[in-house]
Amino acid sequence: EPEVTQTPSHQVTQMGQEVILRCVPISNHLYFYWYRQILGQKVEFLVSFYNNEISEKSEIFDDQFSVERPDGSNFTLKIRSTKLEDSAMYFCASGPQGATNEKLFFGSGTQLSVL
Amino acid sequence: AQSVTQLGSHVSVSEGALVLLRCNYSSSVPPYLFWYVQYPNQGLQLLLKYTSAATLVKGINGFEAEFKKSETSFHLTKPSAHMSDAAEYFCAVSAKGGATNKLIFGTGTLLAVQP
Repeated sequence: EPEVTQTPSHQVTQMGQEVILRCVPISNHLYFYWYRQILGQKVEFLVSFYNNEISEKSEIFDDQFSVERPDGSNFTLKIRSTKLEDSAMYFCASGPQGATNEKLFFGSGTQLSVL
Repeated sequence: AQSVTQLGSHVSVSEGALVLLRCNYSSSVPPYLFWYVQYPNQGLQLLLKYTSAATLVKGINGFEAEFKKSETSFHLTKPSAHMSDAAEYFCAVSAKGGATNKLIFGTGTLLAVQP
């Protein structure tokens, strides 16, 4: 079965450093998402991306965050200057053309620890 | 605005016992409702979904959920727990619509199954 792949599975960084979280969505999917889960809290929507642009973003997704689909296969989330409160599990998801939410496939997540 | 509340962050049942995981939702528009499961070191996997067809929805692995509008609930049940059901379960809601609609998740319920 096709799957969404996220790398790395764990990332440790120092506060103020830039991090890039990588995702390889399912190959024929056109809708891409990032969600995150701070330990003990809800899984929160960050951003959705379609047709090479952001289609929706949450209030969490401020100027420190950016997304990119640099080469047609990867979908990346960049945090420019990490804060302690960015420590969380980050999930990537993708969905095919014309699908509603039930067609979303999620990756296994990247655990980001900011020290 | 939409939200979900999952009662009980940890639920423990004996193998063979009934599993009941509670989810209540709030939505100003007709909702889509979902249950996702996350096994250790894996991504979020869709268990089942309600999209305004039958109110009793059957999913994978013997799970089912019933949409009760009067109670704004979408509780997840399974008649007989199996050891392999031990995982974290997330209830989620979205507005009816296309793939760019975001999912709003609950905080999750960690299910433990005792032998």
